[in-house]
Amino acid sequence: GAVVSQHPSRVICKSGTSVKIECRSLDFQATTMFWYRQFPKQSLMLMATSNEGSKATYEQGVEKDKFLINHASLTLSTLTVTSAHPEDSSFYICSASSPTSYEQYFGPGTRLTVT
Amino acid sequence: AQKITQTQPGMFVQEKEAVTLDCTYDTSDQSYGLFWYKQPSSGEMIFLIYQGSYDEQNATEGRYSLNFQKARKSANLVISASQLGDSAMYFCAMRGGLIQGAQKLVFGQGTRLTINP
Repeated sequence: GAVVSQHPSRVICKSGTSVKIECRSLDFQATTMFWYRQFPKQSLMLMATSNEGSKATYEQGVEKDKFLINHASLTLSTLTVTSAHPEDSSFYICSASSPTSYEQYFGPGTRLTVT
Repeated sequence: AQKITQTQPGMFVQEKEAVTLDCTYDTSDQSYGLFWYKQPSSGEMIFLIYQGSYDEQNATEGRYSLNFQKARKSANLVISASQLGDSAMYFCAMRGGLIQGAQKLVFGQGTRLTINP
């Protein structure tokens, strides 16, 4: 199946700093990518839909200025957590829609810890 | 709006037994797709099986089968001959529209499956 990578897999940062997470589709072009957040023992919550060449669509309650999404190419989307605080500590997962399949391919996730 | 409900927070099963994980859904769409994903402790989301709303036969993938009952709006996952490696979190998800493309997934709350030796 298709492969989606995420980098970094783990990151620890200090409160007030910004962190960038990359999501890449390695063997297909993804017009659309999705960013999810998952708290411990909870389900995945969609944060935003990232469309190549246009602004991301954010879900209700997700702060656009805090979670900056850029989808500069058909294989790369980035999520930047700006001015991170401990409550932003979570597991962030991206997924990419294949243009030739019903499936969404998930990245391995990034565990963010803000101290 | 679409909604997925998984009513079993946790399931405990003896190794080699079959297990059914429940999933019910609610949607006003005529065309939709249903997915099951497995999430081990590493966090990765592993695709297991897919059922389209117009598929007449239940989907099967190896030891996984999906018991699709459209009138009851249920899409239960059946794992036959369970193995210790099946212990994980399982999520049911729904996607609107059968047209290939960017339709977001809505996830259920998940069921934690534990296989006992």
